[in-house]
Amino acid sequence: GEDVEQSLFLSVREGDSSVINCTYTDSSSTYLYWYKQEPGAGLQLLTYIFSNMDMKQDQRLTVLLNKKDKHLSLRIADTQTGDSAIYFCAESRDDKIIFGKGTRLHILP
Amino acid sequence: EPEVTQTPSHQVTQMGQEVILRCVPISNHLYFYWYRQILGQKVEFLVSFYNNEISEKSEIFDDQFSVERPDGSNFTLKIRSTKLEDSAMYFCASSKLGQPQHFGDGTRLSIL
Repeated sequence: GEDVEQSLFLSVREGDSSVINCTYTDSSSTYLYWYKQEPGAGLQLLTYIFSNMDMKQDQRLTVLLNKKDKHLSLRIADTQTGDSAIYFCAESRDDKIIFGKGTRLHILP
Repeated sequence: EPEVTQTPSHQVTQMGQEVILRCVPISNHLYFYWYRQILGQKVEFLVSFYNNEISEKSEIFDDQFSVERPDGSNFTLKIRSTKLEDSAMYFCASSKLGQPQHFGDGTRLSIL
């Protein structure tokens, strides 16, 4: 298909790691992105990975890219209540970004 | 850090009226985009713009929509005759060549 796919919901206990998975479709995508959207707010570019990389780490965030399987994941270490949001996986395709439907991350106390 | 800014944050318009959504891209960016997000749905590409021309547009971007860069700083999206189904969050984005797109906070458009 042509869609970027990701699970719709994830619940994680505060302090645990969150792993959000995504599959994309275009093997020629230059960038793979993770955007964060808090309720009623805009799209915050959380992190991105260039397609020739396998992994990128930025403080509590780790992005893993498996090009063979077209699989992208976002790991958030030591999940905090402030991480509660919708996380969009996205791929660059020609002149545009194609978004998944978003994963709603819920933090349990 | 430079930001993409959008105004207004919320626009309420009667069905059939024209609406203009405004964006100020990051100053040294040359590529501009509009996306929309209907409530509860995913973000969808509308149009890309470079060198005063539309580069690509989606099926959503029909004759009711137009974009313009009226001066050196603003990038606008016009909807000529709004419909109820145009109610959505509209995001502007900008980028440099080959670089990630940066998004504004969006304009929530409510059509009554």
